[in-house]
Amino acid sequence: DTEVTQTPKHLVMGMTNKKSLKCEQHMGHRAMYWYKQKAKKPPELMFVYSYEKLSINESVPSRFSPECPNSSLLNLHLHALQPEDSALYLCASSKAPQGAPSSSGANVLTFGAGSRLTVL
Amino acid sequence: GQNIDQPTEMTATEGAIVQINCTYQTSGFNGLFWYQQHAGEAPTFLSYNVLDGLEEKGRFSSFLSRSKGYSYLLLKELQMKDSASYLCAVRDRRYSTLTFGKGTMLLVSP
Repeated sequence: DTEVTQTPKHLVMGMTNKKSLKCEQHMGHRAMYWYKQKAKKPPELMFVYSYEKLSINESVPSRFSPECPNSSLLNLHLHALQPEDSALYLCASSKAPQGAPSSSGANVLTFGAGSRLTVL
Repeated sequence: GQNIDQPTEMTATEGAIVQINCTYQTSGFNGLFWYQQHAGEAPTFLSYNVLDGLEEKGRFSSFLSRSKGYSYLLLKELQMKDSASYLCAVRDRRYSTLTFGKGTMLLVSP
């Protein structure tokens, strides 16, 4: 299995809703990431988990709450979002966690297909 | 911090060669990646450079000059399916995270 699987593919929610985005990989990768991508913009890093521990939070508002239940799963809990949070949310994983020695393949990110979120 | 610059759009014809440039400024360089992203899809890994020089992978090649803060992605024998956004990304030495450039939208015409 060489894929990162994200569900749901599309999500529409109101500003008072609570929803979650899910991400799964079975490649034995020890680092998992959430990126946010607005239309015609590059992906922007939100969170990094290394060995199931949150290692980087790029000053993301608390209405986004990540969770890593185990080494294969990564969730993003959403609550009280704003319309400007509408975007494509990309999950990614890599073999090496943060701080591991770099080699040609160690930190190649494998991305999921993304969850397209619309906040009304 | 990091500053990554690449052209917004490029056009080319099928069968041609195109070079997409990327310049960067970073406080701690630890590798440069190129990703391809079709509209509405996930970015997919194309190439990686950490040392100066040319890396070749089939129709795709990537070049790096660390002293100039410069890379390019060379695509040969262009095909229609190569129409996509090409993202240059720089890896930070301290945190090993990737920062992406704005991407270059390549349109291949018949």
